[in-house]
Amino acid sequence: AQSVAQPEDQVNVAEGNPLTVKCTYSVSGNPYLFWYVQYPNRGLQFLLKYITGDNLVKGSYGFEAEFNKSQTSFHLKKPSALVSDSALYFCAVSASGSARQLTFGSGTQLTVLP
Amino acid sequence: NAGVTQTPKFRVLKTGQSMTLLCAQDMNHEYMYWYRQDPGMGLRLIHYSVGEGTTAKGEVPDGYNVSRLKKQNFLLGLESAAPSQTSVYFCASSYGRQAGNTIYFGEGSWLTVV
Repeated sequence: AQSVAQPEDQVNVAEGNPLTVKCTYSVSGNPYLFWYVQYPNRGLQFLLKYITGDNLVKGSYGFEAEFNKSQTSFHLKKPSALVSDSALYFCAVSASGSARQLTFGSGTQLTVLP
Repeated sequence: NAGVTQTPKFRVLKTGQSMTLLCAQDMNHEYMYWYRQDPGMGLRLIHYSVGEGTTAKGEVPDGYNVSRLKKQNFLLGLESAAPSQTSVYFCASSYGRQAGNTIYFGEGSWLTVV
């Protein structure tokens, strides 16, 4: 079985400060890791993914995530937060050979304070 | 460029009524999915399809049926709605079977069963 944990339900950060949204995972085999963002009353938008290669993945809107195999983590980061980054963020994982088995975390609500 | 389109966006049902949620994608994707989103639980897979004419159960299939008569369409049916099916439903699609393929989501359908 595979699982994803987002340990923080809520993250608050001041505009202009760096932000981190945490994610840890458990999976058999090589992990494929994703971050999605959801704005109010909207669908999930793809931000970035890790498949293989460089542990630092760059994605949309200035976001990046760092894959750490030893800590089984895939934290989402941004050097300077914007108020418009306020949204619900989901981490997800799948394993090789099971494209249908994308498991989501419970989500982290990010609020960027002006 | 529509992507994944869901209808209706909002619906209120009485217990025991039936309804069908419609999903269409214009990206020529093989895989399609139906998820439900409930507060604090992330997204859970209801049913999925790996191609036209095929369907399979996901994590929470009870009370739902699906059909994929055309490659671009994936229908989710509730035969006898229950209050526990009050949720936000997301349709999604992806190109192929590889676990690293990005899944693209529709805007969601808000369903309330009273």
